[in-house]
Amino acid sequence: NAGVTQTPKFQVLKTGQSMTLQCAQDMNHEYMSWYRQDPGMGLRLIHYSVGAGITDQGEVPNGYNVSRSTTEDFPLRLLSAAPSQTSVYFCASSPNRESNQPQHFGDGTRLSIL
Amino acid sequence: GQQVMQIPQYQHVQEGEDFTTYCNSSTTLSNIQWYKQRPGGHPVFLIQLVKSGEVKKQKRLTFQFGEAKKNSSLHITATQTTDVGTYFCAGPLGGGATNKLIFGTGTLLAVQP
Repeated sequence: NAGVTQTPKFQVLKTGQSMTLQCAQDMNHEYMSWYRQDPGMGLRLIHYSVGAGITDQGEVPNGYNVSRSTTEDFPLRLLSAAPSQTSVYFCASSPNRESNQPQHFGDGTRLSIL
Repeated sequence: GQQVMQIPQYQHVQEGEDFTTYCNSSTTLSNIQWYKQRPGGHPVFLIQLVKSGEVKKQKRLTFQFGEAKKNSSLHITATQTTDVGTYFCAGPLGGGATNKLIFGTGTLLAVQP
């Protein structure tokens, strides 16, 4: 049982490049989300999904796109990378769309934009 | 906008000393969750508090939810080196019933053997 799997673990991009961060979970969780973590700022919600085919914006969605074609996968796309998007990105999931549930996090993707 | 602040940002203790981190929200929260993140790791869920004034214990860890449901604390008794990490509180974005979380700024705990 792998839980939440994120790939890649590390990535360096040049400004203007595009990239997709992968997130997959094998727990049949309905709810999935993406956070970014920056020093001194905690984790901030980028986008989330309450089920296949349904996505919505979080606190800091600009510059990112998501889609949810299956229950298992929730990729995050950077359309045109900027240095301000240098961060650690975490994907998280919880069993269903019921509220107030513990979040299960992946190991994160450490992304640097030059 | 909604903010969740934690103090202190950093605490260095000798092994065996106690530790407390405080979490303060700008809005009333329907519940609060606590997570621990080891250095280089990912956040791991510790506990959830729902009721006003609620106190929960997990071995040496004591969690409290304030009466006004706008603040919370985590107290660790007799710290050990395994307690090292960053502790985050998290509440529902918007304060109500949702899985969308707003995280506190975190408290980094260092424990010297």
